[in-house]
Amino acid sequence: EDQVTQSPEALRLQEGESSSLNCSYTVSGLRGLFWYRQDPGKGPEFLFTLYSAGEEKEKERLKATLTKKESFLHITAPKPEDSATYLCAVESGGTSYGKLTFGQGTILTVHP
Amino acid sequence: EADIYQTPRYLVIGTGKKITLECSQTMGHDKMYWYQQDPGMELHLIHYSYGVNSTEKGDLSSESTVSRIRTEHFPLTLESARPSHTSQYLCASSELRTGELFFGEGSRLTVL
Repeated sequence: EDQVTQSPEALRLQEGESSSLNCSYTVSGLRGLFWYRQDPGKGPEFLFTLYSAGEEKEKERLKATLTKKESFLHITAPKPEDSATYLCAVESGGTSYGKLTFGQGTILTVHP
Repeated sequence: EADIYQTPRYLVIGTGKKITLECSQTMGHDKMYWYQQDPGMELHLIHYSYGVNSTEKGDLSSESTVSRIRTEHFPLTLESARPSHTSQYLCASSELRTGELFFGEGSRLTVL
């Protein structure tokens, strides 16, 4: 059974204080690892897909990396508007496309 | 910007009522999904569809049913709502061979 564990559950940062979010996973044949951002009362918004160990993707202040057991979402010099819940999900090769297993998320709060 | 719409956004109903949550997308995506999310918890897949006249149950057992008569429309129905059905229901869509999901803003259901 695919499993995704995210840590920490909550992270409070000062504006400009860089940090990382962790996503550990166990999956039978990783097809893809996904990062989403979810604002309160909204649906998740797609950020990145990573397919193989060593791959990196960047978007503004966010950088996602992937190893064989975990993924990190690095946030450089965060701003208050980066406050949200960040969700990690995996898709295994044994399932149909789009059947994702999600972690419980990391709630990020950035104070000005 | 994703074009996927859910109605109603919020619904409070009494036990035993029949409800239908509507989901429509204008992107022409073949695959559509319903995920269920309780506060602070993971998203769980309850239904998905590969296309018209195709529906499958997800990993989380649900008493709800779905239909896919038109590509753009994927409604979810509860014949007799119970307090245990109280949750947020998120609709999503994707192209066939990708796990990149576009989510609606969700329907928050409260059953009294």
